[in-house]
Amino acid sequence: EAQVTQNPRYLITVTGKKLTVTCSQNMNHEYMSWYRQDPGLGLRQIYYSMNVEVTDKGDVPEGYKVSRKEKRNFPLILESPSPNQTSLYFCASRQTQGAPNTEAFFGQGTRLTVV
Amino acid sequence: AQSVAQPEDQVNVAEGNPLTVKCTYSVSGNPYLFWYVQYPNRGLQFLLKYITGDNLVKGSYGFEAEFNKSQTSFHLKKPSALVSDSALYFCAVRPTGANNLFFGTGTRLTVIP
Repeated sequence: EAQVTQNPRYLITVTGKKLTVTCSQNMNHEYMSWYRQDPGLGLRQIYYSMNVEVTDKGDVPEGYKVSRKEKRNFPLILESPSPNQTSLYFCASRQTQGAPNTEAFFGQGTRLTVV
Repeated sequence: AQSVAQPEDQVNVAEGNPLTVKCTYSVSGNPYLFWYVQYPNRGLQFLLKYITGDNLVKGSYGFEAEFNKSQTSFHLKKPSALVSDSALYFCAVRPTGANNLFFGTGTRLTVIP
């Protein structure tokens, strides 16, 4: 089954404790991205990656890092989480090469609470 | 700057009645337009998209959307609402030649039995 898998689904952590949210897709998609969803703000893009070893900032990158060492994986790293990073996070992927019109596929989401 | 507006935070409709969820956008060029739905504790699921051609596009679960270039709108519609349609709906836009999606703030649809 084609899917984007995020882990963990739920996470409660304390301020300053480094954490990683993993994202993996099995569709051989080139493009992957991370979003955060906050009430009244919709989804805002944090980082995106056009392909392996190619990453770039989205609209709200502060406090986050990403890496793309393999095509299927795109982890989101919070080096020193703060309470304002409490949010619902989504990973997405999309085929781009030879298919400019495709839609993005989303993971199930990770609800992060930083206390 | 690119922007997507969903003017209604909440839409309530009686079961069996037609529903409309509104979306307008401000994007350069001829963008690709999408609707996604989010059920409780689930990720975003793709409903439909407009790329080019017929202004009325049909998607999953009986939903359709009408593209209006002059009004820069892409309203989501369904002729007869079901209680199971209750969810959070997002309109999204991708400018031509770009890879990033711009989302609206979402509209919560409640279908009343």
